[in-house]
Amino acid sequence: DAGITQSPRHKVTETGTPVTLRCHQTENHRYMYWYRQDPGHGLRLIHYSYGVKDTDKGEVSDGYSVSRSKTEDFLLTLESATSSQTSVYFCAISVGTDNNEQFFGPGTRLTVL
Amino acid sequence: AQSVTQLGSHVSVSEGALVLLRCNYSSSVPPYLFWYVQYPNQGLQLLLKYTSAATLVKGINGFEAEFKKSETSFHLTKPSAHMSDAAEYFCAVIRSGNTGKLIFGQGTTLQVKP
Repeated sequence: DAGITQSPRHKVTETGTPVTLRCHQTENHRYMYWYRQDPGHGLRLIHYSYGVKDTDKGEVSDGYSVSRSKTEDFLLTLESATSSQTSVYFCAISVGTDNNEQFFGPGTRLTVL
Repeated sequence: AQSVTQLGSHVSVSEGALVLLRCNYSSSVPPYLFWYVQYPNQGLQLLLKYTSAATLVKGINGFEAEFKKSETSFHLTKPSAHMSDAAEYFCAVIRSGNTGKLIFGQGTTLQVKP
């Protein structure tokens, strides 16, 4: 399972509160990604990281920020959660010499009331 | 820009029947293509990937996919469906460049009837 864990696995929060999701990997892979999964949309990339302190936006980055202070941890923060951010969030790592294979964590189900 | 289209959000087959899940891509450069499977309440698991080595790619659980450049397709097949194949299937393409960013199709839910 490529040693990827996500925490929390489930969270219910209220509109306007800050939320931080954590992705942890045990194998020192350089690339890490955050996706959200919504019915009818598949998975969409929120942010990704290509090294410590190196991050970039994906296709649905508005309302989200990320940080990576250590190789093994990639944090996703919703500064002020909205109901439209109710989703399942997946973290992934990229492996292989040309980063062409991704392994996914178990996901975090976030509900914003 | 690269994109992926999965034809049919729901596919239903009988146990033992052929499974065919359709995926078409658009890419200005030779792509890397993937099929992932997601069982209920689980993460995504890689079924197979195309990286230009061979056009017919075999994956886990008896699945295979054929890359057809002329049709810009990468359809997933399995000769005989099993009840345990019921899941959601995603086709994905690597965005150009070397950052590994995946673009996913909308997903196809496979139902297997006894």
